[in-house]
Amino acid sequence: EVQLVESGGGLVQPGRSLRLSCAASGFTFDDYAMHWVRQAPGKGLEWVSGISWNSGRIGYADSVKGRFTISRDNAKKSLYLQMNSLRVEDTAFYYCAKGPDSTGHYERDNWFDPWGQGTLVTVSA
Amino acid sequence: EIVLTQSPGTLSLSPGERATLSCRASQSVNSNYLAWYQQKPGQAPRLLIYGASNRATGIPDRFSGSGSGTDFTLTISRLEPEDFAVYYCQQFGSSPPKWTFGQGTKVETK
Repeated sequence: EVQLVESGGGLVQPGRSLRLSCAASGFTFDDYAMHWVRQAPGKGLEWVSGISWNSGRIGYADSVKGRFTISRDNAKKSLYLQMNSLRVEDTAFYYCAKGPDSTGHYERDNWFDPWGQGTLVTVSA
Repeated sequence: EIVLTQSPGTLSLSPGERATLSCRASQSVNSNYLAWYQQKPGQAPRLLIYGASNRATGIPDRFSGSGSGTDFTLTISRLEPEDFAVYYCQQFGSSPPKWTFGQGTKVETK
């Protein structure tokens, strides 16, 4: 069974940093691209970032470009999101999600399946 | 940027009834790039439909997707108690790579 488990969320002040992790199991991690998708409490879904199987190609939403950095460690079967210069509007549940394309290129992922249970990031003074 | 608009915002129905959810795109969408998700309170989204009409693994056949171009539909033929949730459509645009979601339709018990 494919499992994705996020961690690292919490309360942080505006301007500070936080690093999220996602531990993967149940599939060959380095065959697939991975993504982060967020959801502000009570709101809709927003794609944040994606990374290809070998970290060779990476993409970000305009709203986080220059502040967030996605990375992965295939040996540890883990995905990360380094979030710097956090803003109040970054408050959200952050989900990691697996792409379906077995070539491992994030830009070929038409949808996301499955998703982790999410970790809540709250940015507040 | 393609904007997805879902309607209605809320659908009030009883178990056993048919639910029809709409997702309209501001520009034509490749059907291969249209997906639907279900989200229950406190849970992550779950993939229901991909490629506009293909059920994901383990999804009951009471869920079906259809449509093309700018108009897509998710139909739940007979609502079960566990189907009351929020449903999102999502599209993928390849140049540059971008994933966008509709604002969601809540299916609630009447």
